[in-house]
Amino acid sequence: NAGVMQNPRHLVRRRGQEARLRCSPMKGHSHVYWYRQLPEEGLKFMVYLQKENIIDESGMPKERFSAEFPKEGPSILRIQQVVRGDSAAYFCASSEDENTEAFFGQGTRLTVV
Amino acid sequence: QQQVKQSPQSLIVQKGGISIINCAYENTAFDYFPWYQQFPGKGPALLIAIRPDVSEKKEGRFTISFNKSAKQFSLHIMDSQPGDSATYFCAASKSGNTGKLIFGQGTTLQVKP
Repeated sequence: NAGVMQNPRHLVRRRGQEARLRCSPMKGHSHVYWYRQLPEEGLKFMVYLQKENIIDESGMPKERFSAEFPKEGPSILRIQQVVRGDSAAYFCASSEDENTEAFFGQGTRLTVV
Repeated sequence: QQQVKQSPQSLIVQKGGISIINCAYENTAFDYFPWYQQFPGKGPALLIAIRPDVSEKKEGRFTISFNKSAKQFSLHIMDSQPGDSATYFCAASKSGNTGKLIFGQGTTLQVKP
């Protein structure tokens, strides 16, 4: 049973470009969470999605960031017009339901140059 | 009220010793407390978790102690090994939303041979 799969593992974008991060949850998991980890800091919750629905986006920046989890395919975290401050590791986690443990992927390390 | 405070920030332990990491929370609505282990360049891996109905949970060399009245919980790593050298994060969340985790700041553990 494959774990949470994230790609790409590393992503370099120039300021002003768009970054698209993908996450495929574990088999049988329909709940997806995105987190951001700045260097030398803990993880910060960004958004919680179920299939085709955003459940909680209280941790998402108001502008430039969006997330989706379509009926078919992976969850996508999209960052438009990236800035240097967006450089971080972005982790996706999935769980079977709202009361079970969340398992994390290996992350996507975004570098904005 | 949403914070989880973790200490120490870093810890050096001799091989075979006991590593102890402490966390404190404020929100009494939290009722799920996991610990994650993260190696450099990797995603957080769930180590052990506890709910408030028990005061202690042990899995192998890892033990969580939970003090509900003090709103504190701690991770004990017995017989610490060099392979345990990693960053450890405590976290907290609520039933019905266990994947929306509030993380502590992390503790970097170094186990010296």
